[in-house]
Order: sequence, then structure tokens, then C-alpha cells
Amino acid sequence: GAVVSQHPSRVICKSGTSVKIECRSLDFQATTMFWYRQFPKKSLMLMATSNEGSKATYEQGVEKDKFLINHASLTLSTLTVTSAHPEDSSFYICSASRAGGRYEQYFGPGTRLTVT
Amino acid sequence: AQKVTQAQTEISVVEKEDVTLDCVYETRDTTYYLFWYKQPPSGELVFLIRRNSFDEQNEISGRYSWNFQKSTSSFNFTITASQVVDSAVYFCALSEKGGLSGSARQLTFGSGTQLTVLP
Repeated sequence: GAVVSQHPSRVICKSGTSVKIECRSLDFQATTMFWYRQFPKKSLMLMATSNEGSKATYEQGVEKDKFLINHASLTLSTLTVTSAHPEDSSFYICSASRAGGRYEQYFGPGTRLTVT
Repeated sequence: AQKVTQAQTEISVVEKEDVTLDCVYETRDTTYYLFWYKQPPSGELVFLIRRNSFDEQNEISGRYSWNFQKSTSSFNFTITASQVVDSAVYFCALSEKGGLSGSARQLTFGSGTQLTVLP
């Protein structure tokens, strides 16, 4: 159990366009979801934390108007990169946690975004 | 503030050698959780182990073992008889005690150690 999916796995978009990444918990209800960003050969950096039905909490330095996060249901969170630019190219990974889940986080397979 | 340090950026060993990946952490919390993840070239994070701050027992799982020492704030990971398939980036991570009925807090990751096992 505890499977998290992400869609798409890879996306290439043109500069100035927006792209949406979905994160789904397939077999459990995720009360909390996290979005991380990873640059090549670098560590994962937390972007934001979202609790179902609440506004996301963004980490310092992350533009909330650029990276829109929605956690509308207990199984789905979305990250929308608005007006994407080449510097937004990165590997985005989500994770999900459930209430009573012994504080475990379950990671999605990641989405590689390339902005041309 | 929490911090995780993995001083070894890259390690290269020959197959069948043992290798230890170091992890040192900082936290003001008395209750916290430590993790190790493996990230192969595909990018997907593979969970290896979770340890809470109250449990200092070392753990062994097959060729993997972990040494948790609170006195030195370290949580080191040893692979015995390494194999080529062990080649990956390994991340150590730290999390505070969870909120909301056991849900997780965000993870603070170390910078990762790239392990290359040569045939």
C-alpha cells in the first residue's frame, strides 16, 4: 500500500506557458502533501506544505503566485507552474502523508520539467 | 532550525567492498525522525529506513546496516559487500515530530552522497 503517483512524468513546455503537475495518493487519504524541487546533482528542497482544504504554506523564497498549489481532496494535490521560464526547469517531487501514518511520507516518482 | 550534513559528496568503491555513508544532523527537538533514501538514476526516491530519536538500537537489513548515535548526532549507513546495483545517490533526512494526528512534518534532506560501485 501507500502508493503515490505523479503525472506527467516528463513535460516540455515553452517559456511563458503554464504547466500543471498532479500528485495522487492511490490507496490512502493524504491529509498532508509536500512539494519538493531538485536541481541536477543537488538535494531536495521543500517548496511548500499543503493540508487538505487549506492554503498551502510556502517556504521562504518560493513565489506562491508562480507555484500554485491546490490540495482540493484527500487524494489529489496539484502544482501549477505559471508563466514558466527556463530557470523553472527542474525535477519536482511530491510526497504524501496520512493521519495516523506513523509520520511516514510516501514519495511520488517525480516530474521532470523542461522549459524551452 | 534543522540541518543534515552529508560530508561525502562522492564515493567510489569496487564491488564487494564495504562502504559507510556518513550523516550528521542538528535539531533542537527531543523527538525527531531520521531517514535514509536511495535515489537511482530514474529519480524515484526509495525509502530505506526510518528511525525515531528514542530508539538508538542499530539495525541490520540484509547487506544494509545503520548506526544511530545520539551522543554524536550521527546516523551512518553501511552497505556490506557492495554491488553495482547499489550505485545511486543516497540521502539522509530529518523530520520533526509530526502534527495532525500522526501526519508527517516536512523532511530536511542532506546534500546526498553519490555512490558508485565499480565492477
